[in-house]
Amino acid sequence: DQQVKQNSPSLSVQEGRISILNCDYTNSMFDYFLWYKKYPAEGPTFLISISSIKDKNEDGRFTVFLNKSAKHLSLHIVPSQPGDSAVYFCAATPPSSNTGKLIFGQGTTLQVKP
Amino acid sequence: KAGVTQTPRYLIKTRGQQVTLSCSPISGHRSVSWYQQTPGQGLQFLFEYFSETQRNKGNFPGRFSGRQFSNSRSEMNVSTLELGDSALYLCASSTSRGLGTDTQYFGPGTRLTVL
Repeated sequence: DQQVKQNSPSLSVQEGRISILNCDYTNSMFDYFLWYKKYPAEGPTFLISISSIKDKNEDGRFTVFLNKSAKHLSLHIVPSQPGDSAVYFCAATPPSSNTGKLIFGQGTTLQVKP
Repeated sequence: KAGVTQTPRYLIKTRGQQVTLSCSPISGHRSVSWYQQTPGQGLQFLFEYFSETQRNKGNFPGRFSGRQFSNSRSEMNVSTLELGDSALYLCASSTSRGLGTDTQYFGPGTRLTVL
């Protein structure tokens, strides 16, 4: 049972344009969401997070939007750069949890073309 | 501040053997979580340790175990290795203030190959 889903395995965009990565979840009680970026043979690198009490969070070129009614979040990267090419994972924290458990989506491979 | 470190980075074992992987968290972090990444199953939570106690466990067989030491360093052990245990094993640490919103920071992982 996949509680966090990234339905697009891959995405290709041109350098300088916007990249939009999407993530859906099934449990309306999830209260904290994170995005990680991963290069091959490396561990995931934290990018940005959002609490369920917010609908938007920005950090430089990265913005995460949360639509609780649709159980959907998205990561916007503007402008996209070739160095952004990597696998992006969204993750959620189980509800009312103070334990270090993250539930990950399957990942989306982003390719930014020069 | 130094990041999360994992040793060894690469490991090759044969079926039936056992293996121990090590993780040193970021200084000051008390929570250590372990994940398994495989092409078919993605990133899956194994277990989490906080103050030397296992606080949460994923859906993995008992062959997978772990522990945490008083300095927050953690080890995970896999006994009676199977071919399907070949994976990237990732360790993550967080401050774990108990708010459920602590960001986890990952190490580079240990690539385990079972022959």
